[in-house]
Amino acid sequence: AQTVTQSQPEMSVQEAETVTLSCTYDTSESDYYLFWYKQPPSRQMILVIRQEAYKQQNATENRFSVNFQKAAKSFSLKISDSQLGDAAMYFCAYRKGETSGSRLTFGEGTQLTVNP
Amino acid sequence: GAGVSQSPRYKVAKRGQDVALRCDPISGHVSLFWYQQALGQGPEFLTYFQNEAQLDKSGLPSDRFFAERPEGSVSTLKIQRTQQEDSAVYLCASSSNPGTHNEQFFGPGTRLTVL
Repeated sequence: AQTVTQSQPEMSVQEAETVTLSCTYDTSESDYYLFWYKQPPSRQMILVIRQEAYKQQNATENRFSVNFQKAAKSFSLKISDSQLGDAAMYFCAYRKGETSGSRLTFGEGTQLTVNP
Repeated sequence: GAGVSQSPRYKVAKRGQDVALRCDPISGHVSLFWYQQALGQGPEFLTYFQNEAQLDKSGLPSDRFFAERPEGSVSTLKIQRTQQEDSAVYLCASSSNPGTHNEQFFGPGTRLTVL
């Protein structure tokens, strides 16, 4: 079974600075996808960034980027120029690369606080 | 609206009561997922529908949990004889087709509290 581990229950960052959230996963599959989701207090889960395992290039989305280390099964999220609106719970998630019914497996989450 | 909607947003039930939670996916979305999120935890998979067919219910924690999607659109998650351990946020997600490259869009969830 696949597992996803986030070892940082809480992180804080000063506004405009950079923060990195850690995630490791365990799988025997070769084809899979990794995600970071943001969940603000409203509970709406929002996709931040996605990485296909077959791609060597790290994904980037504006101020968000990942460091994907496939051999180490590590998938960290870097948030640059942090903004107050980035404060939320962040979840790392894994999904097998099969064609149907591919569920997401989530980590425990990291609560990010952004200090003004 | 264009997103996934869920109702009610909050539900309080007495232990032993039956509850029904509704999910309206994005129009035309084939795939629908239910997840359970306990307080302070990440969501955990409950069940998956492709159109009206329930293809995976391996995450349902007990036979008190039942889900349906009779017309391949709206889905209902029913919990019979609720227990305190059923207290959680229930999230629904839909995606346009079963391909894994398609994003799952989440609803705002229903927070269930069992007293």
